[in-house]
Amino acid sequence: EAQVTQNPRYLITVTGKKLTVTCSQNMNHEYMSWYRQDPGLGLRQIYYSMNVEVTDKGDVPEGYKVSRKEKRNFPLILESPSPNQTSLYFCASSSETSGASYEQYFGPGTRLTVT
Amino acid sequence: LAKTTQPISMDSYEGQEVNITCSHNNIATNDYITWYQQFPSQGPRFIIQGYKTKVTNEVASLFIPADRKSSTLSLPRVSLSDTAVYYCLVGDIGSPSNYQLIWGAGTKLIIKP
Repeated sequence: EAQVTQNPRYLITVTGKKLTVTCSQNMNHEYMSWYRQDPGLGLRQIYYSMNVEVTDKGDVPEGYKVSRKEKRNFPLILESPSPNQTSLYFCASSSETSGASYEQYFGPGTRLTVT
Repeated sequence: LAKTTQPISMDSYEGQEVNITCSHNNIATNDYITWYQQFPSQGPRFIIQGYKTKVTNEVASLFIPADRKSSTLSLPRVSLSDTAVYYCLVGDIGSPSNYQLIWGAGTKLIIKP
């Protein structure tokens, strides 16, 4: 089954404790992206990757890191989480990098709470 | 980057046709218009995409006027399960200067029995 998987689905952690949220897709997609979603703010893009070893900042990259060493994986790293990073995180992937096919496939989300 | 404006919320009733309009005055020549649906605690799901005039698929229609400064998502004969947030997205992720995607706050659609 074609899908985007994220782990963990729920995470409660403390300020400053490094964490990684994994994202993996089995559709051989070039484009992958991370979003955070907060009440009333819609989705905001954190980082995106057009292909292996190619990453770039989105709208709200501060406090986050990503890597794209393999095509299928795009982990999100919080080196020193803070309470303002408490949010619902989504990973997404897309097969095309042109506007002609803009369909992104989203993972189930990771709910992160930083205390 | 083209910014979008949508109504914050809308109500309708089962069996009705619902039209949600999105304004995107700064749309660029290469931009496409895409709509997503999101249920609570789930990732958004692609509904439909278009460039101009009208696009129809099994779940919705998308109407885009000639100036492309707005678009309307039309949901025929809605049911309670169509209650969700709908996002309008404009952009061309193939453009080297426009890889960044901007999502608006979306329209919360509530369908009543």
